[in-house]
Amino acid sequence: GENVEQHPSTLSVQEGDSAVIKCTYSDSASNYFPWYKQELGKGPQLIIDIRSNVGEKKDQRIAVTLNKTAKHFSLHITETQPEDSAVYFCAASNGQGAQKLVFGQGTRLTINP
Amino acid sequence: EAGVVQSPRYKIIEKKQPVAFWCNPISGHNTLYWYLQNLGQGPELLIRYENEEAVDDSQLPKDRFSAERLKGVDSTLKIQPAELGDSAVYLCASSRDGNTEAFFGQGTRLTVV
Repeated sequence: GENVEQHPSTLSVQEGDSAVIKCTYSDSASNYFPWYKQELGKGPQLIIDIRSNVGEKKDQRIAVTLNKTAKHFSLHITETQPEDSAVYFCAASNGQGAQKLVFGQGTRLTINP
Repeated sequence: EAGVVQSPRYKIIEKKQPVAFWCNPISGHNTLYWYLQNLGQGPELLIRYENEEAVDDSQLPKDRFSAERLKGVDSTLKIQPAELGDSAVYLCASSRDGNTEAFFGQGTRLTVV
């Protein structure tokens, strides 16, 4: 089955700097890759997703890149703000959507003011 | 539009006791998921419903866990009897169908003592 590895497990950056979180997956049939943000005591919140027919997707300060050949995808957050502090999860699915999501282990991102 | 609603938010029970969690998905969402999230880890799928049919329950420990979605809307997840190792957050998510993005509720934090 699918296996998703996420790095780093913790990341600390200065406010205003960029943060990058990387994930690799094992199933070459995977074609849907969402990213979730989870704040303390809350459920995961979808922040951006990408499908395998696209190499990059951007939404304001957040971007995701996908390299299907290498089977890895990354989350980029620019101009980080204190409210970006949270745990971020990547996931992969070999369905068209969320039907078979396998999550990474999470990255705890801390933005230092 | 209301999001995914789960109750209770917190539950503390003694081992060997039964417990039940309830989930109300986003209106119009046909697909409903139950996930288990252990501390410091990503969510893991327990069961997926398409309307009232459980189409993927391969990860559900059927000796003690059961779930139902009788009318294809609300769902309940039950554990009987609970064990110490069941302490975790139980997340419910929904999507319009299996090919679209999933949205999570806030989860139920279960503590078994």
